[in-house]
Amino acid sequence: KQEVTQIPAALSVPEGENLVLNCSFTDSAIYNLQWFRQDPGKGLTSLLLIQSSQREQTSGRLNASLDKSSGRSTLYIAASQPGDSATYLCAVKNEKLTFGTGTRLTIIP
Amino acid sequence: SAVISQKPSRDICQRGTSLTIQCQVDSQVTMMFWYRQQPGQSLTLIATANQGSEATYESGFVIDKFPISRPNLTFSTLTVSNMSPEDSSIYLCSVLRPSTGELFFGEGSRLTVL
Repeated sequence: KQEVTQIPAALSVPEGENLVLNCSFTDSAIYNLQWFRQDPGKGLTSLLLIQSSQREQTSGRLNASLDKSSGRSTLYIAASQPGDSATYLCAVKNEKLTFGTGTRLTIIP
Repeated sequence: SAVISQKPSRDICQRGTSLTIQCQVDSQVTMMFWYRQQPGQSLTLIATANQGSEATYESGFVIDKFPISRPNLTFSTLTVSNMSPEDSSIYLCSVLRPSTGELFFGEGSRLTVL
C-alpha cells in the first residue's frame, strides 16, 4: 500500500526567501506525481504534474523534481510571497491516487 | 485546465437531513471523482462516477449514505444522506485529463452538520 509523507507539517519563512517542500512515497512504481495548493476551506489548485519518466517540471517560480528511486519529490518555490501562503499537497498515482497530508506554508511579510 | 463549479460552496445543516452537492464541468469528461476532506485530514476518495453506469464506491463508503448521480458527461451530484456531525467535511469533485493523467478539482463544498 502506497504511503505518502510530507514533512514538515507546517513551515514559516520570511517573504523573499526560497524554500523547498518535501514529499516522500514508499512505492516507487508510480505513473505520475502531482503538486497542489489548497487555500483554507477551498478546493485544490493543480500546480505541477510530473510524469514517471520526467525528472522535473517548472512553472513560473515553482520547480518540482522527482526521484523515483529514492521515493522523493520536492517543490521549490523561489522568491516567496505572502500570496504563496497555503497548504501544499502532493499526490502520487500508481494503481490508486494517494495524497500526502500536506505542508501548511506561511510566508511572513 | 478544466473549469469545475460546485454548489453550494458551503452550508450548515441539521443532523438527520440530507444535502445534495452539484458539480458542473465546462467540458465532457468520462470519469468524475468525489472526495471527502475531514478537518485537518488529507483527501479520501468516496467514489468514481461514470456516465451511464453505477458509481464505484471505495471501501467504507456506501451508496445509501452517499448516492451519486451522473446524468451526462458534464454534471454529477453527490448526496450526503442522514447527516451527522461526523459528516462535517469539505466535499470535492474532480476530473481527470486522460491524455496527461492530471487531476483538476472544484472549489469544494464545505459542510457543517450541527
